[in-house]
Amino acid sequence: GQQVMQIPQYQHVQEGEDFTTYCNSSTTLSNIQWYKQRPGGHPVFLIQLVKSGEVKKQKRLTFQFGEAKKNSSLHITATQTTDVGTYFCAGHIDKLIFGTGTRLQVFP
Amino acid sequence: DSGVTQTPKHLITATGQRVTLRCSPRSGDLSVYWYQQSLDQGLQFLIQYYNGEERAKGNILERFSAQQFPDLHSELNLSSLELGDSALYFCASTPREDSGNTIYFGEGSWLTVV
Repeated sequence: GQQVMQIPQYQHVQEGEDFTTYCNSSTTLSNIQWYKQRPGGHPVFLIQLVKSGEVKKQKRLTFQFGEAKKNSSLHITATQTTDVGTYFCAGHIDKLIFGTGTRLQVFP
Repeated sequence: DSGVTQTPKHLITATGQRVTLRCSPRSGDLSVYWYQQSLDQGLQFLIQYYNGEERAKGNILERFSAQQFPDLHSELNLSSLELGDSALYFCASTPREDSGNTIYFGEGSWLTVV
């Protein structure tokens, strides 16, 4: 079936270091969305990418959609403790399929 | 605040019992989704309703059922509960039938089966 995989599953970084999570789909996606879930919270929408090769930035966060629309990445520059949480990608084909998530821990 | 309301926030029940989780979508949203998130797990899609009708089914057990009412609120019924059903259950909503746009999550209902 359709799957969306994310790596790594966990990432521990020192505050100030960069962080990247990667998302891969077995199927070409119509769009991809990214969500952040803080510990104890609910997933909150961050961004949606639609076009092949699209790159979008939100302050220290950079989102990229692959040329083949099968993969995506989220890069955080100079992490802060407020970045702690689990980051999910969600690929849309005929329905939204969430990736397995990457849990980010930032040590001060 | 996403505008999606879920009740109860926390629920503890015994194995073999039945519970009902309730969700009110954002005002104007016609589509409701249910997700299950177990400890350290991702979001497992259970089922989607659009304007009262079932639209898509995911990994929903036969012991679980859901419905969406004319006022668009939805209920997820979990029966013959097992310890493994302990999880955070999220409801989410979107304006349209397809999930191509942002979906808005409620704060979830924590279910503990003891």
